[in-house]
Amino acid sequence: KQEVTQIPAALSVPEGENLVLNCSFTDSAIYNLQWFRQDPGKGLTSLLLIQSSQREQTSGRLNASLDKSSGRSTLYIAASQPGDSATYLCAVIADSWGKLQFGAGTQVVVTP
Amino acid sequence: DAGITQSPRYKITETGRQVTLMCHQTWSHSYMFWYRQDLGHGLRLIYYSAAADITDKGEVPDGYVVSRSKTENFPLTLESATRSQTSVYFCASSEWDLGYEQYFGPGTRLTVT
Repeated sequence: KQEVTQIPAALSVPEGENLVLNCSFTDSAIYNLQWFRQDPGKGLTSLLLIQSSQREQTSGRLNASLDKSSGRSTLYIAASQPGDSATYLCAVIADSWGKLQFGAGTQVVVTP
Repeated sequence: DAGITQSPRYKITETGRQVTLMCHQTWSHSYMFWYRQDLGHGLRLIYYSAAADITDKGEVPDGYVVSRSKTENFPLTLESATRSQTSVYFCASSEWDLGYEQYFGPGTRLTVT
């Protein structure tokens, strides 16, 4: 069974510092990997989708890498801002139904 | 409204009652999903659907029923609500030619007393 792990569970950084969020998965046979952001009491917002054939994907200050062979993905957020404070979730898509298997998330606090 | 919507946003019900959570998407995505989110358990898949009239169980389907008569709607019914079904429920949709990227609704917070 696919297991997705996110370490650390929580992270606090001063404004301006770069954020590095880690995601690991046990079965490398994935279709794609998706990163989400969730604000308290809100739904999930899709940040980036990395297809299994890609090594990385970028959107603005966000960059996500994927290494299928080692079962890892990393989300980098450059020059963090207090508005980046949220929980970040990664999820793998492991079948043709597109079902997501989620990690538990990393709670990020960016202090002014 | 464009996108994916859920109703109601908040619901309080009593143990044993039947309750239906609604999900509607305007993109005509083939795939739709129901998740529940609980502290300590994260997000878990309840049911999913690949098209109208095609549904299957996820990780935690017991006590829930789904139907999908139209592509845009995917209601989730709790047949006889229990306190353990107190949770936040999220609906999502995706399409294969979008790389299965899932888009989530705002959620329904359900409390069973």
